[in-house]
Amino acid sequence: GIQVEQSPPDLILQEGANSTLRCNFSDSVNNLQWFHQNPWGQLINLFYIPSGTKQNGRLSATTVATERYSLLYISSSQTTDSGVYFCAVEHGGGSNYKLTFGKGTLLTVNP
Amino acid sequence: DAGITQSPRHKVTETGTPVTLRCHQTENHRYMYWYRQDPGHGLRLIHYSYGVKDTDKGEVSDGYSVSRSKTEDFLLTLESATSSQTSVYFCASQGNGYGYTFGSGTRLTVV
Repeated sequence: GIQVEQSPPDLILQEGANSTLRCNFSDSVNNLQWFHQNPWGQLINLFYIPSGTKQNGRLSATTVATERYSLLYISSSQTTDSGVYFCAVEHGGGSNYKLTFGKGTLLTVNP
Repeated sequence: DAGITQSPRHKVTETGTPVTLRCHQTENHRYMYWYRQDPGHGLRLIHYSYGVKDTDKGEVSDGYSVSRSKTEDFLLTLESATSSQTSVYFCASQGNGYGYTFGSGTRLTVV
């Protein structure tokens, strides 16, 4: 099956720093999504981004589908950005769509 | 997200008992999914549904069954709970051309 690898697995930042999280995937995908899992366990949609670049406040994401990777940028990080960031790829066709997750990047932002 | 709810939020059950988890969505989404989240494994797909009465297995389906008798409801049943099924269970739904939305999760402990 398709492989989704995220890096780094862990990241510790001081408040105000910038960071880049990476997601590599092993095969063509229909779509790609970034999630933030907050300390209460809730999975929050960040971006639904099959290709190109999207921005939402201090966060932005870029997917280069032809090279099979996506990047999530966090600028001016805040303590509330802490949590696990997951990349997930949608693959399949017909009635057989599935979402496969990477193992996540654990981000800790210290005050 | 208000459009998808899971019940119960927490459950403790004994080994060998059947357990049913419920997922309810109000978005009229065609696709629904059940995942489990475990340390070191990320989120793994258990079963999914692509319409009423249309379901299929994911990568970790052994010991689980599902049913979907209405668009809005997707039930996950552990036929005879085991300690290895202690986990956090997430339900998700997806509409055509939109990202996946996750419920708040059910924390299940099998003792």
